[in-house]
Amino acid sequence: GAGVSQSPSNKVTEKGKDVELRCDPISGHTALYWYRQRLGQGLEFLIYFQGNSAPDKSGLPSDRFSAERTGESVSTLTIQRTQQEDSAVYLCASSLGGPAWGYTFGSGTRLTVV
Amino acid sequence: QQPVQSPQAVILREGEDAVINCSSSKALYSVHWYRQKHGEAPVFLMILLKGGEQKGHEKISASFNEKKQQSSLYLTASQLSYSGTYFCGTEFQGGSEKLVFGKGMKLTVNP
Repeated sequence: GAGVSQSPSNKVTEKGKDVELRCDPISGHTALYWYRQRLGQGLEFLIYFQGNSAPDKSGLPSDRFSAERTGESVSTLTIQRTQQEDSAVYLCASSLGGPAWGYTFGSGTRLTVV
Repeated sequence: QQPVQSPQAVILREGEDAVINCSSSKALYSVHWYRQKHGEAPVFLMILLKGGEQKGHEKISASFNEKKQQSSLYLTASQLSYSGTYFCGTEFQGGSEKLVFGKGMKLTVNP
């Protein structure tokens, strides 16, 4: 596609429920990144994929968070048993091969846990 | 490991200049600059690789001092459209293959 697409754009969920966030990167971009942005804060790294493997998962906050990617396309970030502190904007970015090519970000999913 | 940006916020009048700094305690391979407008995705501005280069165009440019592990973004004759939050993203030497972002600098340009 023309850009990085994320869905849903907004999600309100009850505490304890599971949520799935989707990212559709730019076609041909092998690298895909997930970041979290809390209100008024910077971008917190969660995980990145090169193809469908995840060499760096070091940013995932707990074992409630997981992510997968199908080939060099869609990725899903799953948060199980959501907590109020999970409320944030979850941003996905893709890159042609890695940081040297620059990132293109999606518009994000705003997650609110009530 | 998170780079430190300064200042945290600046308010300018249209036509004034601004400098945004980004410093790291770890050796850097590259520094990236992004701008995010309220409610929108961050947008890529430029990349600087180690070597002390300076790049950009006449109104927005940046430098990278490899020895000091610092980068600065220069906004000249600011326009209303420059308003937003500016983030530096750093890639550490050794090929971390990901960017670690600073907390951002909020720039407001008023008429």
